[in-house]
Amino acid sequence: GESVGLHLPTLSVQEGDNSIINCAYSNSASDYFIWYKQESGKGPQFIIDIRSNMDKRQGQRVTVLLNKTVKHLSLQIAATQPGDSAVYFCAERENTDKLIFGTGTRLQVFP
Amino acid sequence: ETGVTQTPRHLVMGMTNKKSLKCEQHLGHNAMYWYKQSAKKPLELMFVYSLEERVENNSVPSRFSPECPNSSHLFLHLHTLQPEDSALYLCASSLGPLRGTDTQYFGPGTRLTVL
Repeated sequence: GESVGLHLPTLSVQEGDNSIINCAYSNSASDYFIWYKQESGKGPQFIIDIRSNMDKRQGQRVTVLLNKTVKHLSLQIAATQPGDSAVYFCAERENTDKLIFGTGTRLQVFP
Repeated sequence: ETGVTQTPRHLVMGMTNKKSLKCEQHLGHNAMYWYKQSAKKPLELMFVYSLEERVENNSVPSRFSPECPNSSHLFLHLHTLQPEDSALYLCASSLGPLRGTDTQYFGPGTRLTVL
């Protein structure tokens, strides 16, 4: 079946640097994508979303890029802070209302 | 806080026990979801309710029984579980299962351990 995956299971960055978390998706019919952040002991928290008619969307310190040609999604975090340490999931919506989640990338921020 | 609460936060049960997980959302949403999160696996959708009607059952074993008495509350009744059912069970809600309104807001989860 179709699946969403992440290139790197763990990403370590220094505080203040920018972070880039990548996600590959395989269903070209997916029209909506979401990034979630999950801290230890908590449920996933919505960060930012993007529709397939866009290629970039910016939030506060976060930017999501969508490349439909290569079916690639990325989350960029500017000036990474210790509080950004968490597991990040991408999710795609196919031609139903069901979200398909990736396995997650752990972001570790060190001083 | 996301406006979605879950109780209990932790639960340990034997294989012969019967227990229930509770979820409540204070967002005025019309759709609610149960997910299972196991280590190193993607979130697995279990059930979806829309306007208190079950619209999705993802081949979940009958030892898991959902109940949605109203649009704000969702239960997951558990009986004769297996140790491999140990996981984090997450509840989520969204405005409605309509295109363009799929942002799901998650509760903190119930960490379930089956002995």
